[in-house]
Amino acid sequence: EVQLVESGGGLVQPGGSLRLSCAVSGFTFRNYNMNWVRQAPGKGLEWISFISSSGYTTYYADPVRGRLTISRDNAKNSLFLQMNSLGDEDTAIYYCVREIQDASGPYSWFDSWGQGARVIISS
Amino acid sequence: SYELTQSPSVSVSPGQTAKITCSGDALPKQFAYWYQQKPGQAPLLVMRKDTERPSGIPERFSGSSSGTTVTLTIGEVRAEDEADYYCLSADTSGVGRVFGGGTKLTVL
Repeated sequence: EVQLVESGGGLVQPGGSLRLSCAVSGFTFRNYNMNWVRQAPGKGLEWISFISSSGYTTYYADPVRGRLTISRDNAKNSLFLQMNSLGDEDTAIYYCVREIQDASGPYSWFDSWGQGARVIISS
Repeated sequence: SYELTQSPSVSVSPGQTAKITCSGDALPKQFAYWYQQKPGQAPLLVMRKDTERPSGIPERFSGSSSGTTVTLTIGEVRAEDEADYYCLSADTSGVGRVFGGGTKLTVL
């Protein structure tokens, strides 16, 4: 069974930092691209970051570029999100998301999600 | 920045058909994916590559595409279908991902 379990969420003051982790099991982690998606309270889903299976390629959404850093440890089946210079707008549930590649072409989508880690930015 | 546009809400009675649309300039070139999210739960993929229904998703769910608009159609709507629905696609660069703003489906 595919499992993704986020941890590291919590209450942080504005300007502070936080590191989220995602422990995965049930699949060969090193073969999959991974993403982080967040959802602010009462709001919609927002894709924020991608990392390739090797870890060599990363992408970020404009609102987080330069403040958030995605990384992974394939030996430990873990995905990370280092978050710095946090502001009120970063308050959200952060989901660890597996990306699956289509066997018939260069297409991919999100097929497995964790239950999310809650991050609250408040003084 | 690139945006996908969804109507905020759709309301239907049980047994009727619900249509949820998603519009974006890049949709003629990029596939769309649909996710269902119920309160307190993680999203669930209900449609991939515009028209493909994943295993385990009822046949009542179907997808279509025309120009810059993709549509998720739910036939014979049930109370259990009440949820938020989000479309997902790639942005104009093909690298980043963008979600639509979400559509709240209410079953009257």
